[in-house]
Amino acid sequence: HVQMQESGPGLVKPSQTLSLTCTVSGDSISRGSYYWTWIRQPAGKGLEWIGRVYTSGRTFYNPSLKSQVSISLDTSENQFSLDLVSVTAADTAIYFCARAELGTTSFDSWGQGLLVTVSP
Amino acid sequence: QSALTQPASVSGSPGQSITISCTGTSGDVGGYNYVSWYQQHPGKAPKLLIYGVGKRPSGVSDRFSGSKSGITASLTISGLQAEDEADYYCSSHTSSSTWVFGGGTRLTVL
Repeated sequence: HVQMQESGPGLVKPSQTLSLTCTVSGDSISRGSYYWTWIRQPAGKGLEWIGRVYTSGRTFYNPSLKSQVSISLDTSENQFSLDLVSVTAADTAIYFCARAELGTTSFDSWGQGLLVTVSP
Repeated sequence: QSALTQPASVSGSPGQSITISCTGTSGDVGGYNYVSWYQQHPGKAPKLLIYGVGKRPSGVSDRFSGSKSGITASLTISGLQAEDEADYYCSSHTSSSTWVFGGGTRLTVL
């Protein structure tokens, strides 16, 4: 049974870089059956897909965030990471990592979510 | 990419059936059978309910069903129960190899 856990700072200053890590247990991110993704949710609002990385390292990002986002894999630690540069208050949200199966493109496993606040 | 369109809220009484719609474009909902639905209770992570338009993961009640016609997908919940009160989101893979979510629908069980 796969488990996913987000980690990182809960508070980031405006204009700085938000960096989060998702640690995966119970599955290997090197196994080529899944996309590893980041999704966020501002308080009281809907879900927003941020981007995804495949085992090969190939990435795809939400066009509205593409200039800010970078997602990478660390197969030795069975982790993947999110970097979001030049953050503003609009980037305050709960950040989820999730796994999407290649064949169905559905998010079948999620982390519990991590609240990140952008504030001086 | 624009968010898929869902009604902001729906409601129903216990035992009734409700349907939540999710409207996209030919570049997402209408172009692929990759629509999925998620249930989110307050303070929790979303849970996968439906994938591939109308397929249920193991362990999901058969009271939940999905369908699609053209650019609109639908989630139907039959035999409403109090624990169904939650937010529901649709999602679709897109022609740009990205994903897009709906704005979410709050279900109230009266």
